[in-house]
Amino acid sequence: GQSLEQPSEVTAVEGAIVQINCTYQTSGFYGLSWYQQHDGGAPTFLSYNALDGLEETGRFSSFLSRSDSYGYLLLQELQMKDSASYFCAGLGQNFVFGPGTRLSVLP
Amino acid sequence: KAGVTQTPRYLIKTRGQQVTLSCSPISGHRSVSWYQQTPGQGLQFLFEYFSETQRNKGNFPGRFSGRQFSNSRSEMNVSTLELGDSALYLCASSLGDGGKLFFGSGTQLSVL
Repeated sequence: GQSLEQPSEVTAVEGAIVQINCTYQTSGFYGLSWYQQHDGGAPTFLSYNALDGLEETGRFSSFLSRSDSYGYLLLQELQMKDSASYFCAGLGQNFVFGPGTRLSVLP
Repeated sequence: KAGVTQTPRYLIKTRGQQVTLSCSPISGHRSVSWYQQTPGQGLQFLFEYFSETQRNKGNFPGRFSGRQFSNSRSEMNVSTLELGDSALYLCASSLGDGGKLFFGSGTQLSVL
């Protein structure tokens, strides 16, 4: 089977750094993606890890450790506009999305 | 480059009816995948089409079906609608070679 787990909510203040964790149980799994979704909007791609290690894209970084079945999304220099839901997604035979983490950025 | 286009944006149907949703992928993308999003179940994979062939299928009943045309446009059909089918249906296109999906704005389906 395939399943991913994420915290349901995270709160942080502007300018801070926040880490959203994702643990998974998948078979035939070969990558982990991250997506951002604002209320009423469509998910937008943030990052993809096909290999273990850190991927950096501007203020966002993503990490994957296959041996630990674990990944995380790191958001730096938080801005109010980062308030959204964040989904990790396992890429295997199918795309399997985690339940999402709602990030609230406070002034 | 135009993004992924889904039509219609909103749809209201009654139980027992059927519905067809449309998705036009980004030009050059050969993979189209469909998802159901609800507050309780999150984003759930329905199926993926690549070059007119269904490549993967999620765990949904046979009432949910789809197809892809030679121009990569895709349609999803739900027959004998149930109240529980009320959801946001999202399609995503990609080159089909990795984890980067481009989502459309979705079709909000309400079944009364």
